[in-house]
Amino acid sequence: EIVMTQSPATLSVSPGERATLSCRASQSVSSNLAWYQQKPGQAPRLLIYGASTRATDIPARFSGSGSGTEFTLTISSLQSEDFAVYYCQQYIDWARLTFGGGTKVEIK
Amino acid sequence: QVQLQESGPGVVKPSQTLSLTCTVSGGSINSGGNYWSWIRQPAGKGLEWIGRIYARGSTNYNPSLKSRVTISADTSKNQFYMKMNSVTAADTAVYYCARDSIEGPWTFDPWGQGTLVTVSS
Repeated sequence: EIVMTQSPATLSVSPGERATLSCRASQSVSSNLAWYQQKPGQAPRLLIYGASTRATDIPARFSGSGSGTEFTLTISSLQSEDFAVYYCQQYIDWARLTFGGGTKVEIK
Repeated sequence: QVQLQESGPGVVKPSQTLSLTCTVSGGSINSGGNYWSWIRQPAGKGLEWIGRIYARGSTNYNPSLKSRVTISADTSKNQFYMKMNSVTAADTAVYYCARDSIEGPWTFDPWGQGTLVTVSS
């Protein structure tokens, strides 16, 4: 099983500031990495796939980078609606998909 | 626009079988290339992929749950299902159904709103 580790667990950021979230894979997943946003009481929403491609209707302030085992999700200027939990997911092992433990982005 | 809606019992007794239904609207589960998955999330914790069914009927399961889970579909009802036997308190979670994204294979979009299942006597 590919283990996905996200850091930090909680990130405190002021509105308008940049947020940088990390995701590390226990083995290379190439660019087969997705990011999701989850708000309280809601299902996750796909933000990024292919490590760096934004899904439809996702604002340009969200960007993804990385390949292999190290990945980053950057939110360039945090808006009030961006405070949420973010998960990464690998899909190189399509028969055993795994998610990271999540990073909570909270208001500083 | 495809939408998914989970339904299920809410509470299941330990050792019994959990049965959930996902009803798909706005599109056919039988459309070529579509995969349909179940994912769960214990309260305050992360996401765990349970398994998937292909539109034409083949399935894949998370090896950690494979011995207890069966996913099936009824194309005439545009529904797919998940059965999990021998449940314990560790199976208490919000259960989501989702479609594989048409943009990125093996990623998920859209999702249902989720249904809470509590395992308790």
